[in-house]
Amino acid sequence: AAGVIQSPRHLIKEKRETATLKCYPIPRHDTVYWYQQGPGQDPQFLISFYEKMQSDKGSIPDRFSAQQFSDYHSELNMSSLELGDSALYFCASSSTTYGADTQYFGPGTRLTVL
Amino acid sequence: GIQVEQSPPDLILQEGANSTLRCNFSDSVNNLQWFHQNPWGQLINLFYIPSGTKQNGRLSATTVATERYSLLYISSSQTTDSGVYFCAVSSNTGKLIFGQGTTLQVKP
Repeated sequence: AAGVIQSPRHLIKEKRETATLKCYPIPRHDTVYWYQQGPGQDPQFLISFYEKMQSDKGSIPDRFSAQQFSDYHSELNMSSLELGDSALYFCASSSTTYGADTQYFGPGTRLTVL
Repeated sequence: GIQVEQSPPDLILQEGANSTLRCNFSDSVNNLQWFHQNPWGQLINLFYIPSGTKQNGRLSATTVATERYSLLYISSSQTTDSGVYFCAVSSNTGKLIFGQGTTLQVKP
């Protein structure tokens, strides 16, 4: 069965640089979620999209922006990177937007900011 | 917002032993998922279980929604079961709120 695809899997950036993370949801899933997991921490919700519109927003820095495209893939754009942005970034997709269904997680993008 | 508490925070087992992990949550939920995060960081979905009982091989889970807790049972543990187990819940908002996790180490 098709799973959530994330690219790249690993990314190394310098401080103040920009990064773009991509997420391709499971086919026919119209809701995408982004989570950030710092070292030794649990995943924290960043932002979600349903039918290409932002549906919810968590503790996402203003330096981050995201969108969902017409083909339902999503991109997380991160600017002015800081050392503290080093984390594992997960994308998840679901067939519902109100939580009452399984969220399937991608393998994650490990971002290292030097 | 919803609070999620997992216990115990750490667990060390000998291979072949059984264990029970607990997840308490502070409000009604429409989604509860158990995940296993392996040493490579991948979050493996174990169960979607907002209520009731499910079993998958050596793993089973029970959620008592009226009492706001869920249990994950691991029987005949293997070294490959090592990692962090997360419980995560949602209440009509879609976003998952994760507990702090239980770190399991299974020794050969």
